[in-house]
Amino acid sequence: EVQLVESGGDLVKPGRSLTLSCTAYGLNVGDIAMSWFRQAPGKGLQWIGFITSKASGATIRYDASVKDRFTISRDDPKNIAYLQMNSLKNDDSAVYYCTTGAFDSWGQGTLVSVSS
Amino acid sequence: EIVLAQTPLSLSVSPGQPASISCKSSQSLLHSDGTTYLYWFLQKPGQPPQPLIHVGSNRFSGVTDRLSGSGSGTDFTLKISRVEAEDVGVYYCMQSIQLPLTFGGGTTVEIK
Repeated sequence: EVQLVESGGDLVKPGRSLTLSCTAYGLNVGDIAMSWFRQAPGKGLQWIGFITSKASGATIRYDASVKDRFTISRDDPKNIAYLQMNSLKNDDSAVYYCTTGAFDSWGQGTLVSVSS
Repeated sequence: EIVLAQTPLSLSVSPGQPASISCKSSQSLLHSDGTTYLYWFLQKPGQPPQPLIHVGSNRFSGVTDRLSGSGSGTDFTLKISRVEAEDVGVYYCMQSIQLPLTFGGGTTVEIK
């Protein structure tokens, strides 16, 4: 059974950095695409970005709203995908989800709160 | 950016009655490879989205056959043949034919 577990969410001050992890069980992260989404409190879902499989060149794409501040990466031996977030703003406060490339498995999410 | 317009905003349905949600796209979601890149998800309170439908009309594994997706091009519909208590939540459509991936605004389904 495939399971994705996000971790690393925290309360941070504006301008600080935070790295989220998505640990995968039941699949090899290097063999598939992985995506990150977020959902601000009481709002809808927003795509953040993805990383494709090794076989597809590990291509990374981002939403324009985070492109210069967020970085997606992957550690294949550890089977973990990462979302590094820099220069955090209040508007980045949300629950962050990782998913498989086919969107058929989602983690439970991890909460990031940005506030002074 | 592709805009997905979902209607209605909310739906109150008696148990056993049908329900229908519309998702209209600002651009065609039919790719030249023949695939329609339209998904449906259900999000229950405090939970991550649950995948329901992919490529416009195919149910993900384990999804009840009371749910069906239909449509083509720019107009899509999610139908629940007989609403049950477990169907309560917010339904979202999502397109993945073009970056950025975008979602509809959501439709809240509640039981009358």
